[in-house]
Amino acid sequence: SQTIHQWPATLVQPVGSPLSLECTVEGTSNPNLYWYRQAAGRGLQLLFYSVGIGQISSEVPQNLSASRPQDRQFILSSKKLLLSDSGFYLCAWRLAGSSDTQYFGPGTRLTVL
Amino acid sequence: DAKTTQPTSMDCAEGRAANLPCNHSTISGNEYVYWYRQIHSQGPQYIIHGLKNNETNEMASLIITEDRKSSTLILPHATLRDTAVYYCIVRPPRGGSQGNLIFGKGTKLSVKP
Repeated sequence: SQTIHQWPATLVQPVGSPLSLECTVEGTSNPNLYWYRQAAGRGLQLLFYSVGIGQISSEVPQNLSASRPQDRQFILSSKKLLLSDSGFYLCAWRLAGSSDTQYFGPGTRLTVL
Repeated sequence: DAKTTQPTSMDCAEGRAANLPCNHSTISGNEYVYWYRQIHSQGPQYIIHGLKNNETNEMASLIITEDRKSSTLILPHATLRDTAVYYCIVRPPRGGSQGNLIFGKGTKLSVKP
């Protein structure tokens, strides 16, 4: 069966520091991968999605970036965090070519101080 | 994607059926209705989806009206662990942004003992 992992589970970082969040999927090949952010008390916002290695599409311009160095690995990064980057970051996968059902990871709660 | 309207919150007694409504009056003929839920501090969990026929799985039932302008998610015997925010999402099959989902505010369901 397929599983999706995210780490770290929680993170507290100072303003201006770099960020690297990792997401990996097991049990499937060539998935579509997604990064979402959920600010406190708000809905999910799609940040990036990827249909293959090295292929990244950005939905919202900001100081975050994403990379997909391997088929089942998706990384969210920032060179300098802002206070507004605080939130709950969720990675999701979807089987390419199938229905639109997405499966989410456990999330990373980021607090920028 | 069609817009959905859900009540902000609902209460349900433990062991009773929870009926969560969703209005999607502008739904198009090829758009599916998806339901996800998000338990506090966890990633969203897929529940069920349907096009026009009623659907049932091990988690819930989805009842879609004949005109498809509204639907109801039914949890037949709600437990305390069903307390979560429930999201109703309408989208065409493999639509824009390679299948990304647009989450609204959802309905916060509180199951009480």
